[in-house]
Amino acid sequence: NAGVTQTPKFRILKIGQSMTLQCTQDMNHNYMYWYRQDPGMGLKLIYYSVGAGITDKGEVPNGYNVSRSTTEDFPLRLELAAPSQTSVYFCASSSDREIQANVLTFGAGSRLTVL
Amino acid sequence: GENVEQHPSTLSVQEGDSAVIKCTYSDSASNYFPWYKQELGKGPQLIIDIRSNVGEKKDQRIAVTLNKTAKHFSLHITETQPEDSAVYFCAASGFQKLVFGTGTRLLVSP
Repeated sequence: NAGVTQTPKFRILKIGQSMTLQCTQDMNHNYMYWYRQDPGMGLKLIYYSVGAGITDKGEVPNGYNVSRSTTEDFPLRLELAAPSQTSVYFCASSSDREIQANVLTFGAGSRLTVL
Repeated sequence: GENVEQHPSTLSVQEGDSAVIKCTYSDSASNYFPWYKQELGKGPQLIIDIRSNVGEKKDQRIAVTLNKTAKHFSLHITETQPEDSAVYFCAASGFQKLVFGTGTRLLVSP
């Protein structure tokens, strides 16, 4: 059972470039999330989705876009990379059953550097 | 919205000692309080959680306490071992999504 898989693990971008961070889960979870982790700042929610075709903004959505065409996949796109987007990105998922909705399973993370 | 503060930011203990990490939250409607452990190069992993209808929960060497009146909750690790070294995050959630604390780096020295 793979859980939540993120690719790539590391990436270096130049300012203004675009890229997509991939996330897939095999637990049939309806809820999926993207967080960014900056030193000393904890985890900040970028976007989340409660099911295929439904996405919503989190705390820090500016500069990012997401889509959710299937239950399994939740890619995060950076359209015009900026140095402020240098961070470690985590994808997570959870069941939509009431008592489990906030129990998150995280991927291993994607470290992005924008130069 | 919810705001979660976590202290200390770093904590160094000797193997066998106890470690305590404290968090406070702002939204009295929050009713779910998990703790995640993040080892180097990995994603956070849930280690214990507590809901607002109980004041304490234990799982072997770890325990969490909750004081809803004061709006704070704590993680207690007893008989610490080197493998407990990691970053620990608290979080709080009610109707809205999880809000995380800023993390505590725990170092257990042999």
